[in-house]
Amino acid sequence: AQKITQTQPGMFVQEKEAVTLDCTYDTSDPSYGLFWYKQPSSGEMIFLIYQGSYDQQNATEGRYSLNFQKARKSANLVISASQLGDSAMYFCAMRDSSGAGSYQLTFGKGTKLSVIP
Amino acid sequence: GAVVSQHPSRVICKSGTSVKIECRSLDFQATTMFWYRQFPKKSLMLMATSNEGSKATYEQGVEKDKFLINHASLTLSTLTVTSAHPEDSSFYICSATGQVPGETQYFGPGTRLLVL
Repeated sequence: AQKITQTQPGMFVQEKEAVTLDCTYDTSDPSYGLFWYKQPSSGEMIFLIYQGSYDQQNATEGRYSLNFQKARKSANLVISASQLGDSAMYFCAMRDSSGAGSYQLTFGKGTKLSVIP
Repeated sequence: GAVVSQHPSRVICKSGTSVKIECRSLDFQATTMFWYRQFPKKSLMLMATSNEGSKATYEQGVEKDKFLINHASLTLSTLTVTSAHPEDSSFYICSATGQVPGETQYFGPGTRLLVL
């Protein structure tokens, strides 16, 4: 079974609008971390935001916020005021203790976001 | 945020040669480094996890003798693709984590390998 599911292969958003990228996860570990990364066409993976399973508040970093719904096991990324430079692949990832090492990440398949001028 | 460099960014080599890729954490001590492989339009596939001073842990299906990983210091890990073949052509990307918030993995810019 997939541990991280990103159901949107591609998304379009108008410049200056907000967009939500979906991510659901599956783990039985009470302690875990959720991450979002951005990968532009250049290939580098850029860390955007982190949410710990015990964090009481949703994480925010500038225009990025993470809508963490623990009971639903979802960790959607919200990008406000989209910019042309936001066009990229976005990966959701989870760290729990099920891997061989405690720091291992499991990645979703990604969502390609295209911002329309 | 933490910075990870990777060198070279791009390499073209002949079949049968070996290629070494370096991954460095520039402003933090990376107790653990990871090596991933990514095929076009696909997600990242973890190849191995390396802890400083110990042998790397390889994922199932990854050949240890083919992909040699060394993590000799807290700021440097190397991946050597030995006797490279065209099917080894791919995008290789490393990440590092250590005493950083959330044990976040910070990624290098990646290396595009083309084996002719």
